[in-house]
Parts: sequence; structure tokens; C-alpha cells
Amino acid sequence: LAKTTQPISMDSYEGQEVNITCSHNNIATNDYITWYQQFPSQGPRFIIQGYKTKVTNEVASLFIPADRKSSTLSLPRVSLSDTAVYYCLVRTGANNLFFGTGTRLTVIP
Amino acid sequence: DTEVTQTPKHLVMGMTNKKSLKCEQHMGHRAMYWYKQKAKKPPELMFVYSYEKLSINESVPSRFSPECPNSSLLNLHLHALQPEDSALYLCASSQASQGGLVNTIYFGEGSWLTVV
Repeated sequence: LAKTTQPISMDSYEGQEVNITCSHNNIATNDYITWYQQFPSQGPRFIIQGYKTKVTNEVASLFIPADRKSSTLSLPRVSLSDTAVYYCLVRTGANNLFFGTGTRLTVIP
Repeated sequence: DTEVTQTPKHLVMGMTNKKSLKCEQHMGHRAMYWYKQKAKKPPELMFVYSYEKLSINESVPSRFSPECPNSSLLNLHLHALQPEDSALYLCASSQASQGGLVNTIYFGEGSWLTVV
């Protein structure tokens, strides 16, 4: 079971770019890296997923180095509404999803 | 906006009660999941159904009994629960695994359960 490690919490000012790094040293060849966002009292929401190099969508970018032992979620110009818990996950199989401890991001005005 | 609907949103039950949590999706997904989440903790996988058959049971106590009556519905039957079972119960769904393809898992808003 691939274990992920990410910072417990981060603070950022509004308008700044936020980078959250996750380490997954024992990622398997077929594993994908997935990030979810969760607001209090809501279900997790899919943000982005990737296998290698860089993936970008309308919400975030995901950077994965060649060795795939870590990944970085980049949130451009955060706002107060981005305050949430961000989970980095490594898919250990196609039909399951195990969550790590997550990073609590607080955006400050 | 989630397309996974969970009912009820809140449930209070006694330790001797029998109740059920319900989950519905109309995205044509053939994999459905139950997660349990305690306050300030990450969600914990409980069960996975694939093509209406139970494929993963993460050693969940038998007082939790899942049921998948058809491809759109997932139930979690609750009986003789303990106060420590109070938590947010999340349902999720995705396309079923095919050829190792990794599919996005979509979550509902959850059902808050309080056991008294």
C-alpha cells in the first residue's frame, strides 16, 4: 500500500500561488497520483490526477518528477474560498482510494 | 455539484435501532463505495462494490451491512451500533475498473450519523 506524506497545514495570503508537495516513495509502476479537496461537512471533490510530468486543468496544476516519488499540487492565485483540506492519494488499484492525512490550507485575507 | 445523492443528511439512532443509509447515482457507474469519516480525520474506506458485487470489505464490523440492490443504488444497513460509530458516512461512485484504467471517484455530501 503506497503511503503518502504531506504537510499537516499551510497558510497563504489571498492572491498567492500555493504549492503543496506530497511524497510517495513506494509508488508502484501502475499507480496514479490523485488530489482531492474537502470543505467542512462536505464530501471530497476531485481536483486533478496524473501519472507523470505535468497535468493542468482549469483549477490546478500537478507536477510529477521523473522518479514519481513526489508530486506537487499548484493552486494559482488562491482566494478565501480555497480554504480546505487537500488530500494527496496514490491509487493502489483502479477501484479503491485510500486517503492520507491531508493538508489543511488556510487562506488569509 | 455532486451527482451522488445520499439520504438522510442527518440521522440520530439509538444503540438498539435498525436504520439504513441510502445512496443513489445516475451516472451509469458500476463501482460504488462507502467511506466513514470522523471529525478532523481523513475518510476511511469501508466497502467497494463492483458490478453490484462486494469486492472489498476493509474488515468492517458486521453491525454495518452493505447492500447494492441495483447498479444505481447502494445501501448501508445499521444495527446495534455504538456511540463511537458516530461519523460522517460518505458514498462514492466511479466507472468500474477495466484494463487497469484509473477512473475518477465522485463523492456524495455524506450522511451525518449520531449514535446515542
